[in-house]
Amino acid sequence: SQTIHQWPATLVQPVGSPLSLECTVEGTSNPNLYWYRQAAGRGLQLLFYSVGIGQISSEVPQNLSASRPQDRQFILSSKKLLLSDSGFYLCAWSGNSGNTIYFGEGSWLTVV
Amino acid sequence: GEDVEQSLFLSVREGDSSVINCTYTDSSSTYLYWYKQEPGAGLQLLTYIFSNMDMKQDQRLTVLLNKKDKHLSLRIADTQTGDSAIYFCAESMAGGFKTIFGAGTRLFVKA
Repeated sequence: SQTIHQWPATLVQPVGSPLSLECTVEGTSNPNLYWYRQAAGRGLQLLFYSVGIGQISSEVPQNLSASRPQDRQFILSSKKLLLSDSGFYLCAWSGNSGNTIYFGEGSWLTVV
Repeated sequence: GEDVEQSLFLSVREGDSSVINCTYTDSSSTYLYWYKQEPGAGLQLLTYIFSNMDMKQDQRLTVLLNKKDKHLSLRIADTQTGDSAIYFCAESMAGGFKTIFGAGTRLFVKA
């Protein structure tokens, strides 16, 4: 069966510091991969999606970037965090037909 | 553009039925989903329905789809305190890479 893991689960970072959140998927090949952000008490915002290694689509302009160095690995990064980057970040995957999305456990980022 | 709307809060008594409603705008949506998010956790897929279906039942969960009105609902029978969570409605199209989520409905279950 397929599983998805992301880490770290909780992160407190100072403004201006870098960020790296990592996500891996097991049990499937060539998945579509996604990064979502959920601000406190709000819905989900799609940040990035990837249909293959090195292929990244950005949905909103922002201080973040994503990379997919391997088929089942997706990384969310920032060179310099802003206070507004605080939130709950969710990695997700779907089959390459792009339909049902399955989420990881989420990572809480607090920028102080 | 695509949009999914749902009310933000719902409060029910334990043992009653809960009905969470959702409206969407994209008539070409093929799949419609309900996800559950417990505090501090990721989203868990509860159920989904294809756009060519009107109803789907899975144990205590009943999903109703009215394509004409673009309205989706989730009914939880015999609601329990463990059902307290945020419920997200979502839509996607076949072969598409974007799933559009609503803002989530927070369900409070009173004992």
